[in-house]
Amino acid sequence: EVQLLESGGGLVQPGGSLRLSCAASGFTFSSYAMSWVRQAPGKGLEWVSVISGSGATTYYADSVKGRFTISRDNSKNTLYLQLNSLRGEDTAVYYCAKMGGNWGGWYFDLWGRGTLVTVSS
Amino acid sequence: QSALTQPASVSGSPGQSITISCTGTSSDVGGYNYVSWYQQHPGKAPKVMIYEVSKRPSGVSNRFSGSKSGNTASLTISGLQAEDEADYYCNSYTSSNTQVFGGGTKLTVL
Repeated sequence: EVQLLESGGGLVQPGGSLRLSCAASGFTFSSYAMSWVRQAPGKGLEWVSVISGSGATTYYADSVKGRFTISRDNSKNTLYLQLNSLRGEDTAVYYCAKMGGNWGGWYFDLWGRGTLVTVSS
Repeated sequence: QSALTQPASVSGSPGQSITISCTGTSSDVGGYNYVSWYQQHPGKAPKVMIYEVSKRPSGVSNRFSGSKSGNTASLTISGLQAEDEADYYCNSYTSSNTQVFGGGTKLTVL
């Protein structure tokens, strides 16, 4: 079955860190770029970051640049997002999303169920 | 990276057609044919309905169609059905190699 399964969310204090994981199955993971998209409670979708199929190329939203790091392990079919220097405004459901191609398929054709990150003291 | 502009809400009766607009700039919507649309029901993950302005993934009803003119893209849903009631988001690739979403539109089927 083609699916994405996120994990690693939870409650963290402001200034803290967390690492999210996304396990992929049912497709050739290394052939596709992957993204993280987040959604604050009751708010809209916000694109966070993208990584190419090889992992060599990454881009970030200005709101997380310098604090978050996207990476992937193609041998484990797993995508990661390292979240550092967390702020209250980072509280959101974080979705892992498969892109429509390796690079140039600029749409999200498969989504995980999401993992909730809550930043609060 | 300003969000694309969508109406906050639209509504229509069953069987009618509605259109949701998505306005950006020449650095995103107007500059590339990489506009996509997502449907999200409460508590669920988003689902792609349209990609590359007007292409429909397999399994998506042909009642959904997309178009673009200048810096504004549009999603049209014809023959409205109760199950279409959801939030809809547009998305575009940008000149900074990033992506940007619209603020979302809540569709109510009356």
